[in-house]
Amino acid sequence: GAGVSQSPRYKVAKRGQDVALRCDPISGHVSLFWYQQALGQGPEFLTYFQNEAQLDKSGLPSDRFFAERPEGSVSTLKIQRTQQEDSAVYLCASSFPGTSGGARTYNEQFFGPGTRLTVL
Amino acid sequence: QKEVEQNSGPLSVPEGAIASLNCTYSDRGSQSFFWYRQYSGKSPELIMFIYSNGDKEDGRFTAQLNKASQYVSLLIRDSQPSDSATYLCAVAPFGNEKLTFGTGTRLTIIP
Repeated sequence: GAGVSQSPRYKVAKRGQDVALRCDPISGHVSLFWYQQALGQGPEFLTYFQNEAQLDKSGLPSDRFFAERPEGSVSTLKIQRTQQEDSAVYLCASSFPGTSGGARTYNEQFFGPGTRLTVL
Repeated sequence: QKEVEQNSGPLSVPEGAIASLNCTYSDRGSQSFFWYRQYSGKSPELIMFIYSNGDKEDGRFTAQLNKASQYVSLLIRDSQPSDSATYLCAVAPFGNEKLTFGTGTRLTIIP
């Protein structure tokens, strides 16, 4: 595909329900990031994969949050027992570790459209 | 103290004028600095990145970095109504790693 895609675009969940958010990165992109963006705030880092390896999950707010990328491509962010404070836009970004010079921008992360999660 | 600080605005600038956006960061180990533009309801898109002290120009945009002062700025010349958006400053350590964003500055260009 031309860009990063995410599904669903909108999700309404009842408090306590489990949700799964999907990210399809740009083909060939090695790195994949998940961010959480609350209303009026900047994105906040959740977790980072390089291929299938989860190299950093320091931003996951609790053990209710779990992410995976089993084959190094599509990633799923799962939130168990959702709470109202989980309401936010969840952004996925992918990047290809670039080199200096040339047309490729080093470390540019391309963002998907996001999934807006509302927990009632 | 937040790791990346920006004035939330709103910042209003007349069309055709220069818009100046500022950002400070606390981690002296930060190596890469980015400016993203985010239209309402849309995802962030990269408009400028800078790694070295000094100025970097790209069309109407100029990014300025002063590592000693831990300060990054973005200048937008000949501001257009289409520049109205939230501008997010982001920093990263060396390498392809996580971005730390500021809260963003909301910019409005007045026709």
